[in-house]
Amino acid sequence: EVQLVESGGVVLQPGGSLRLSCAASGFTFDDYAMHWVRQTPGKGLEWVSLISWDGGTTYYADSVKGRFTISRDNTKNSLYLQMSSLRAEDTAFYYCAREGLTEYSTSSGRFDYWGQGTLVTVSS
Amino acid sequence: SYVLTQPPSVSVAPRQTARITCGGNNIGSKGVHWYQQKPGQAPVLVVYDDSDRPSGIPERFSGSNSGNTATLTISRVEAGDEADYYCQVWESSSDHPYVFGTGTKVTVL
Repeated sequence: EVQLVESGGVVLQPGGSLRLSCAASGFTFDDYAMHWVRQTPGKGLEWVSLISWDGGTTYYADSVKGRFTISRDNTKNSLYLQMSSLRAEDTAFYYCAREGLTEYSTSSGRFDYWGQGTLVTVSS
Repeated sequence: SYVLTQPPSVSVAPRQTARITCGGNNIGSKGVHWYQQKPGQAPVLVVYDDSDRPSGIPERFSGSNSGNTATLTISRVEAGDEADYYCQVWESSSDHPYVFGTGTKVTVL
């Protein structure tokens, strides 16, 4: 059974830093690109960042570029999001999500499994 | 960046059909994915590549995509279908490759 379990969400002040983690199990982790997606409570979904299966390619939403860094450790089946210079507008549930594969084992552009999310609150 | 527009809400009686639209410029040329999110839960993929269903998703969920509108159709609606629904596309050549729609709250009357 595929499982994604996020951790690290806390309440912190503007300007602070935080690292989120996502522990993956039930699948071959290094076969898949992984993502972070966030959702402000009561609002819609916002894609945050992508990392390729080998960590060699990363992308970021403009709203977090230069402040957030995505990484992974395939030996530990873990995904990370280092967040710095946090702002009130970064307050959200942060979900770890797996990008599914096509029948040709290429990236599909869809999120086929999601974790339950971890809440980050940035407030003074 | 690419924008996907959904109606904020759709109301439907039990056993009737709900249709949720997702509007985007020439969206018919892209693969559209749909997610269901119930309160306090993570999103779940219910339709991918316009009209395919992941294993375990009931046949009552179907999708179509043409022109500037993609549609998620829920047939024979049940109380348990009450949730938020989001469309999503992948723009592989874009700096903003993963785009979500604005979301639609489906209420079962």
